[in-house]
Amino acid sequence: KNEVEQSPQNLTAQEGEFITINCSYSVGISALHWLQQHPGGGIVSLFMLSSGKKKHGRLIATINIQEKHSSLHITASHPRDSAVYICAADTSYGKLTFGQGTILTVHP
Amino acid sequence: ETGVTQSPTHLIKTRGQQVTLRCSSQSGHNTVSWYQQALGQGPQFIFQYYREEENGRGNFPPRFSGLQFPNYSSELNVNALELDDSALYLCASSLDRGNQPQHFGDGTRLSIL
Repeated sequence: KNEVEQSPQNLTAQEGEFITINCSYSVGISALHWLQQHPGGGIVSLFMLSSGKKKHGRLIATINIQEKHSSLHITASHPRDSAVYICAADTSYGKLTFGQGTILTVHP
Repeated sequence: ETGVTQSPTHLIKTRGQQVTLRCSSQSGHNTVSWYQQALGQGPQFIFQYYREEENGRGNFPPRFSGLQFPNYSSELNVNALELDDSALYLCASSLDRGNQPQHFGDGTRLSIL
């Protein structure tokens, strides 16, 4: 069993839908990162959180430390949100353990 | 503010050769982490450098080695290349170790023939 598990692995949505991607981890963490990766490889950091909730535009990230679970929500999804979304656990001084990623496709 | 840059963007090598990948960290960042991402997989942590010293290593053999320079740029060296080393190699810099957002480069795509 991987230390960081994401679900679903693939997600298809229609433009405007509310999207949720889940991340569960089995290790102790100091922070949880949500990242976005576009075709070609470039990775963009979306959120880093260690408690509660963070919001940036249409993106919201939450974390429940007791349950070792985090979610990434996208409101009013748009085709430009299509990408791979990856959660990563900071287990020790910035060493990240990654989930396998969720491939999101948003159709117009 | 210059972001993280990696070179080269693509590289083709043959088995047994050696390769050096380079990463320029974002201005002011003293920590660089290297990751290997095989096709269809999440990235795997190779090692991290903090102020020119190795600060942790993942499950990679010794033929994967690195350096960090006084300007905090970094190199990843891989000796005796194997077919399974074909992957996207990503570096990320951060302001300090731990609990910091990591800023990623676009990666180097390494193909081993």
